[in-house]
Amino acid sequence: AQSVTQPDIHITVSEGASLELRCNYSYGATPYLFWYVQSPGQGLQLLLKYFSGDTLVQGIKGFEAEFKRSQSSFNLRKPSVHWSDAAEYFCAVGGTYKYIFGTGTRLKVLA
Amino acid sequence: GAGVSQSPSNKVTEKGKDVELRCDPISGHTALYWYRQSLGQGLEFLIYFQGNSAPDKSGLPSDRFSAERTGGSVSTLTIQRTQQEDSAVYLCASSPRWGVGNTGELFFGEGSRLTVL
Repeated sequence: AQSVTQPDIHITVSEGASLELRCNYSYGATPYLFWYVQSPGQGLQLLLKYFSGDTLVQGIKGFEAEFKRSQSSFNLRKPSVHWSDAAEYFCAVGGTYKYIFGTGTRLKVLA
Repeated sequence: GAGVSQSPSNKVTEKGKDVELRCDPISGHTALYWYRQSLGQGLEFLIYFQGNSAPDKSGLPSDRFSAERTGGSVSTLTIQRTQQEDSAVYLCASSPRWGVGNTGELFFGEGSRLTVL
């Protein structure tokens, strides 16, 4: 069955610290992989996506993610977190039209 | 407008009443999706439209839920005889037709928050 797992429901980091949000997926074929961010009261915004090619992808706001096929993972990273990064982050997997989302990781940033 | 527009942004209703939620996608986007976002549950797929047809409505939780799309544009999600467990944020997203200038990105509206008392 197709699924996405985000094992961390909440993560708290200090401003300026590095960040890694975990995402594991189960998908029968080569997946398309996405990270979205949702700020309070807002819709979801695409941070980055992986379709093929280079397994390290760069996104907006200084985020990057690495696709590791052997581990079925697509973890999101940022070297130095800013207070404005506090939000909820969703990993998603898709193929053709259907997208499956994880349950999200809520990021809190301490000043 | 430039983005996906949803209305109402907030809806409070009594158990047993019917509600309609509206989504106005980005102009030219032929694909339209409804998702439900409940606390701690992530995004639950409800239905997918390509044009006016819904090739996948497998996520609709019961026959109290229905959706339609007219003119390849505006979509309405209707929940009949609402129950408390229907309380959630209902998100709409649109995208160009898959494979035609489609980067895979879904463009989301800000959602309609439904509270059933």
